[in-house]
Amino acid sequence: EAGVAQSPRYKIIEKRQSVAFWCNPISGHATLYWYQQILGQGPKLLIQFQNNGVVDDSQLPKDRFSAERLKGVDSTLKIQPAKLEDSAVYLCASSPTRGGTEAFFGQGTRLTVV
Amino acid sequence: GQNIDQPTEMTATEGAIVQINCTYQTSGFNGLFWYQQHAGEAPTFLSYNVLDGLEEKGRFSSFLSRSKGYSYLLLKELQMKDSASYLCAVPYGGSQGNLIFGKGTKLSVKP
Repeated sequence: EAGVAQSPRYKIIEKRQSVAFWCNPISGHATLYWYQQILGQGPKLLIQFQNNGVVDDSQLPKDRFSAERLKGVDSTLKIQPAKLEDSAVYLCASSPTRGGTEAFFGQGTRLTVV
Repeated sequence: GQNIDQPTEMTATEGAIVQINCTYQTSGFNGLFWYQQHAGEAPTFLSYNVLDGLEEKGRFSSFLSRSKGYSYLLLKELQMKDSASYLCAVPYGGSQGNLIFGKGTKLSVKP
């Protein structure tokens, strides 16, 4: 079974630039999550999708972050414009159902904002 | 609100046993997860406890006490490859919960 795929693996941008990350969840998984993991900390949920609908985006900085999952499969996370404090690993995860089951994580995209 | 505490770092010797503790405060309990994360890699699922007691899975065991808001991960016969961060996480939002993660415990296994 293929795992959660993310790209790119690494990205370096200057502050105020834009960046986008892509995620392809495990086939058949209805729930998709984007997490932000700052160095030395645990992952922090940014947004959760159930199929193509947003379930929870309460911790997403909506002035600069946006995410979509148009066809209920792939998802993209965008930052526009980036700030220095956005430097982190952005993890995508998927699970078959909401809550109570394990989430499977992708390798993440390491973003460095300079 | 939700709050999760775990030690920042631990060191243990190859072949030994180590216990990583996690205390949590959450409104509405829906189980507790442990994940392992090697440096630069994705977190991988280790265990899920929803009832009190000890669950054993090979060299790894996880314990939960809901009344005390406490869990621990027990690693036996430590191997060098067990050097990683161990993340405690609890769902929030009722049965539809997303995961709130602790900051993780970085375990270093020495020869």
